Amino acid sequence: DAKTTQPTSMDCAEGRAANLPCNHSTISGNEYVYWYRQIHSQGPQYIIHGLKNNETNEMASLIITEDRKSSTLILPHATLRDTAVYYCIVRVSGLSGAGSYQLTFGKGTKLSVIP
Amino acid sequence: DAGVIQSPRHEVTEMGQEVTLRCKPISGHNSLFWYRQTMMRGLELLIYFNNNVPIDDSGMPEDRFSAKMPNASFSTLKIQPSEPRDSAVYFCASSQTSWDAEAFFGQGTRLTVV
Repeated sequence: DAKTTQPTSMDCAEGRAANLPCNHSTISGNEYVYWYRQIHSQGPQYIIHGLKNNETNEMASLIITEDRKSSTLILPHATLRDTAVYYCIVRVSGLSGAGSYQLTFGKGTKLSVIP
Repeated sequence: DAGVIQSPRHEVTEMGQEVTLRCKPISGHNSLFWYRQTMMRGLELLIYFNNNVPIDDSGMPEDRFSAKMPNASFSTLKIQPSEPRDSAVYFCASSQTSWDAEAFFGQGTRLTVV
């Protein structure tokens, strides 16, 4: 299984871009990078995922390096409601093979958005 | 869709009692996951179902834990007998079974065993 490494915590000023890094140097060619976040006392929430190309949706942008060994999640204009733990996850294949799906969560990065 | 629905939201029980947690996945999703979250161990995958069949239960801590999915719209996680160390937040999640499907999580059940 590819493992991920994230900083334990980060601060970001409200209104500024939050850039959350993730290292996944042992990622395999067919493994996706996923980002989820967990706001206090809630269930994890999907943000974005990608394989090789950079991705953007209404919540965030995902920048994946060409060698795929690291990625950065960008929240373009952080708000106080973005304060949460952000998890970078590399999807592992389940025991049943193709089409199976598991998410293994690490410790994540606690992002604090400061007024 | 109302999302993944878990019940109860909070459960307090005495050591030795049986506890049953319930989950209703999103309609049309055919993968279902049970996770446990504690301060010490973070989010741990307990068991994963695909099309109502348990695929991987290697995360189930011991025989006191069991999970069932009798149909596509309902799953249970049972602990019998419960112990104080089982106190945690238990999350259920569901997804479509596709190569890159996102998982949707419920709000969790906070279990306290005294």
